[in-house]
Amino acid sequence: SAVISQKPSRDICQRGTSLTIQCQVDSQVTMMFWYRQQPGQSLTLIATANQGSEATYESGFVIDKFPISRPNLTFSTLTVSNMSPEDSSIYLCSAILNTEAFFGQGTRLTVV
Amino acid sequence: GQQLNQSPQSMFIQEGEDVSMNCTSSSIFNTWLWYKQDPGEGPVLLIALYKAGELTSNGRLTAQFGTTRKDSFLNISASIPSDVGIYFCAGQLMDSSYQLIWGAGTKLIIKP
Repeated sequence: SAVISQKPSRDICQRGTSLTIQCQVDSQVTMMFWYRQQPGQSLTLIATANQGSEATYESGFVIDKFPISRPNLTFSTLTVSNMSPEDSSIYLCSAILNTEAFFGQGTRLTVV
Repeated sequence: GQQLNQSPQSMFIQEGEDVSMNCTSSSIFNTWLWYKQDPGEGPVLLIALYKAGELTSNGRLTAQFGTTRKDSFLNISASIPSDVGIYFCAGQLMDSSYQLIWGAGTKLIIKP
């Protein structure tokens, strides 16, 4: 299995500011993803973080709002830009290892 | 986005009872995955299924990949208090993207 370290685990941010979430995997992985999850609900895919190229965003998510970096095969960041209260959610990093998806512990973001 | 039909939405059971939940889809999947998520944590992989008809166990958990590749069930035998949480099914698309399509989750609550 893969161990995924995600930080921060939680943050409270002022509206209009930006937060960068880091995701570190203990193995080299080809595929990494970023999800958003409202408490008690299912996961919504934000984007696929591609190593060496621009991330691939799902419908409803754009690069200006959620810029993603993937500088190597073990690390990725997601930035939530110009935050509003609607961005309050849990953000999860995921990596594929041997076709199985593993997750970080999540970042609980509250925007006030 | 696309979502699997997962049922039941929630279950109230007595400790020691068996639990059963299932997911169905109109799409064919390459892989079915079952996850458990505790509050404040990311989803943890319980069982992965790769072949139609496959029946796999992990301790008190048993899951099966439907023969049509469009459904799966998860059984938990002799439930204990630490089984409380939200269980998600996820289907992996039959392409190279490794993207997951998620069920809405089954919340398991054990009555004292």
